[in-house]
Amino acid sequence: KQEVTQIPAALSVPEGENLVLNCSFTDSAIYNLQWFRQDPGKGLTSLLLIQSSQREQTSGRLNASLDKSSGRSTLYIAASQPGDSATYLCAVKNNDMRFGAGTRLTVKP
Amino acid sequence: NAGVMQNPRHLVRRRGQEARLRCSPMKGHSHVYWYRQLPEEGLKFMVYLQKENIIDESGMPKERFSAEFPKEGPSILRIQQVVRGDSAAYFCASSPRDRADEQYFGPGTRLTVT
Repeated sequence: KQEVTQIPAALSVPEGENLVLNCSFTDSAIYNLQWFRQDPGKGLTSLLLIQSSQREQTSGRLNASLDKSSGRSTLYIAASQPGDSATYLCAVKNNDMRFGAGTRLTVKP
Repeated sequence: NAGVMQNPRHLVRRRGQEARLRCSPMKGHSHVYWYRQLPEEGLKFMVYLQKENIIDESGMPKERFSAEFPKEGPSILRIQQVVRGDSAAYFCASSPRDRADEQYFGPGTRLTVT
């Protein structure tokens, strides 16, 4: 059974800092890995999708990497802003999609 | 405990017809989320429902799309007058409460509009 772990569970940083969120998974036979953002009371917004054959994806200030063999992914956020405050979830897809518990990010002005 | 069920798994509709996609959440789950995945793209949130209540429909197209989650029975995503651009995989997820990190996804319905 696929287990997805995200570290840290919560993170608070001052505005402007670069930061890294971590995701690990136990079954490396994945189709893809996604990073999502969730704002309070909202559904998920997909940020980046990495196919199993890819090693990284970039979108604006976000960069996600995937090391399938070690079962790890990182989400790098550059020059963080207060608007980045949200919960960030990673999800891996085998036969279904499994989510990590998320990292609650707070960026302080 | 059966997982999230979606049916049909594959649906083919001609342009202008209606598509109805069904989602039965896991037992004990009262929250349902619908997502759409276009080819080569990640999941995009569409709507979030509790029984008899739409919580967040910010991702729903303004026209032709509607969703419901009645007191009894599955959640329904309805697309009227389908167009080719509606062709996608539609995923439903359920959770026992308002915790996205406990969402469990169904296998999806692949809609093809010809």
